[in-house]
Amino acid sequence: RKEVEQDPGPFNVPEGATVAFNCTYSNSASQSFFWYRQDCRKEPKLLMSVYSSGNEDGRFTAQLNRASQYISLLIRDSKLSDSATYLCVVPPTDSWGKLQFGAGTQVVVTP
Amino acid sequence: NAGVTQTPKFRVLKTGQSMTLLCAQDMNHEYMYWYRQDPGMGLRLIHYSVGEGTTAKGEVPDGYNVSRLKKQNFLLGLESAAPSQTSVYFCASREGHRETQYFGPGTRLLVL
Repeated sequence: RKEVEQDPGPFNVPEGATVAFNCTYSNSASQSFFWYRQDCRKEPKLLMSVYSSGNEDGRFTAQLNRASQYISLLIRDSKLSDSATYLCVVPPTDSWGKLQFGAGTQVVVTP
Repeated sequence: NAGVTQTPKFRVLKTGQSMTLLCAQDMNHEYMYWYRQDPGMGLRLIHYSVGEGTTAKGEVPDGYNVSRLKKQNFLLGLESAAPSQTSVYFCASREGHRETQYFGPGTRLLVL
């Protein structure tokens, strides 16, 4: 089993709709998590961090389910500009700093 | 404050040629990383460094070498390029006590 797994999608979402997708992780000791956004042919950029049960930033909500070892990202009122690949990232539990990246979930928002 | 920069942005090599990719960061970060990204594979760690003068192997180190002679620079070398090394290469850095990584804009490498 991969350490971080994501549904690759694509999730095709009408503009204005809500979309949600999950990321499962294998290391039960992981304490914090991140969602990065990557636009086509660009570098990944931090979208939001998840340190406890969840986090909300505007139209974006991340939730953590420790019992089932997954985190989710929900996007409300989708905009065309939300079209991107969303990477789930699990930090290391040691101090050596090797992040574990999921392969990403592609979201396509259509007019 | 430029963040993380990468040189070059794009390069075409012939099989067997060598080259060096340069990553520079001006945030005084301790940790630096080299990843490659291929379609459907996500980001894979090639090598990383936890400080000046130190380097370590990541998930896919074969065919690559690195050096961190200065804190702000992390070099990735390909001694004898192969078509399998055609990829997009991202450099990233982070502070020692924080986990957010900051990425450079990427280098697109095509090996013919």
